[in-house]
Amino acid sequence: AQSVTQPDIHITVSEGASLELRCNYSYGATPYLFWYVQSPGQGLQLLLKYFSGDTLVQGIKGFEAEFKRSQSSFNLRKPSVHWSDAAEYFCAVGEEGGSYIPTFGRGTSLIVHP
Amino acid sequence: DGGITQSPKYLFRKEGQNVTLSCEQNLNHDAMYWYRQDPGQGLRLIYYSQIVNDFQKGDIAEGYSVSREKKESFPLTVTSAQKNPTAFYLCASSMATGGVETQYFGPGTRLLVL
Repeated sequence: AQSVTQPDIHITVSEGASLELRCNYSYGATPYLFWYVQSPGQGLQLLLKYFSGDTLVQGIKGFEAEFKRSQSSFNLRKPSVHWSDAAEYFCAVGEEGGSYIPTFGRGTSLIVHP
Repeated sequence: DGGITQSPKYLFRKEGQNVTLSCEQNLNHDAMYWYRQDPGQGLRLIYYSQIVNDFQKGDIAEGYSVSREKKESFPLTVTSAQKNPTAFYLCASSMATGGVETQYFGPGTRLLVL
């Protein structure tokens, strides 16, 4: 069965520091990968997605993610975090040839210190 | 502007009462979804629909019902059989091409029990 793991429940960084949020998946076929962000009490907003092509994907708000097939990972990065980036981040994975509905990780809560 | 709307933002349910959450989209998407979100548990799929007048149960359908009479609308009813309905409910939509598609989310409805 497909699964998505976000190993970190909470991540705390200082404003201006770099950020990396981890996402690992378990699939047998070609994965379709997503990162979403959720501010408190709001819906999910798509940050970026990977379907094929260049494994380094650029998204909105200065985020990027890199697909590493050998490590079954799709980690989200940002070189310099702003206080407004404090939110919940969700990784989601769908499988070509399998269920077309992505499976979501449990989320990572980002706390930004001034 | 195209998007997904959910109403109400907050909903209160009394013991034994059925309540209905509204979800409308003007993205011309074929597929629509309902998720339940509890703290620390990520998103869990309740029901989904790929086409008008057809829908399927997700992972946690017990105590919920849906209808899909129009392409734009996918209301969710939380019945009295759902013993623990307090949660944040998210509606999403996507194209339905038979493969993995990007989901877009509404702003959510928070359901509270009186």
